[in-house]
Amino acid sequence: DIVMTQSPDSLAVSLGERATIHCRSSQSVLQSSKNKNYLTWYQQRPGQPPKLLIQWASTRDSGVPDRFSGSGSGTDFTLTISSLQAEDVAVYYCQQSYSIPLTFGGGTKVEIK
Amino acid sequence: EVQLLESGGDLVHPGGSLRLSCAASGFTFTSFGFSWVRQTPEKGLEWVSTINGRNTYYAESVKGRFTISRDNSKNTLYLDMAGLRVEDTAVYYCAKGGVDTAMIIDWWGQGALVTVSP
Repeated sequence: DIVMTQSPDSLAVSLGERATIHCRSSQSVLQSSKNKNYLTWYQQRPGQPPKLLIQWASTRDSGVPDRFSGSGSGTDFTLTISSLQAEDVAVYYCQQSYSIPLTFGGGTKVEIK
Repeated sequence: EVQLLESGGDLVHPGGSLRLSCAASGFTFTSFGFSWVRQTPEKGLEWVSTINGRNTYYAESVKGRFTISRDNSKNTLYLDMAGLRVEDTAVYYCAKGGVDTAMIIDWWGQGALVTVSP
């Protein structure tokens, strides 16, 4: 199984400041033949189900604000919120879809400082 | 608008059975694969099963006990759970696969709580 490790477990950021979340996979999730990283980011606000933010490591889903960006390749990935807003308070998860079983990171809780 | 509405969550005893249903609307049901993902405070998000075309996939922890299926005439996804264990206690989410692959979830239901307790 591919193990997904996120860091930090939580972080507190001031409004308007940058938040950076890391995700590492135990093996590469880059499919070379398609040049695609099978890495997805989800946002889960309190009391809500997860919501798709970014797929293929860096492609924002429709309607996702451009302050959210994803980067990385292979085994190391980053989710960046460039200017934190109050509505961004949530837990963020990474997930690999490279192989079965699908696996998720443990989540990173983002709060307002 | 995409909607996934789970039902069937309940309190059951260990060894018992339960069927979860997920009624889908707002998109062409037959064009997409679906998954069940469960969540607990202790384990976080845990993939359970995916159905994509005629193919089904299961986590090792539920293989042989859970069965995923779909009724395209009713736009409904199912998860039949048997031999339930205390560790199956979780919120179970119905999840719709994306355009490119069923393995990327682009929409989640609100979840159904399954509690397995003596």
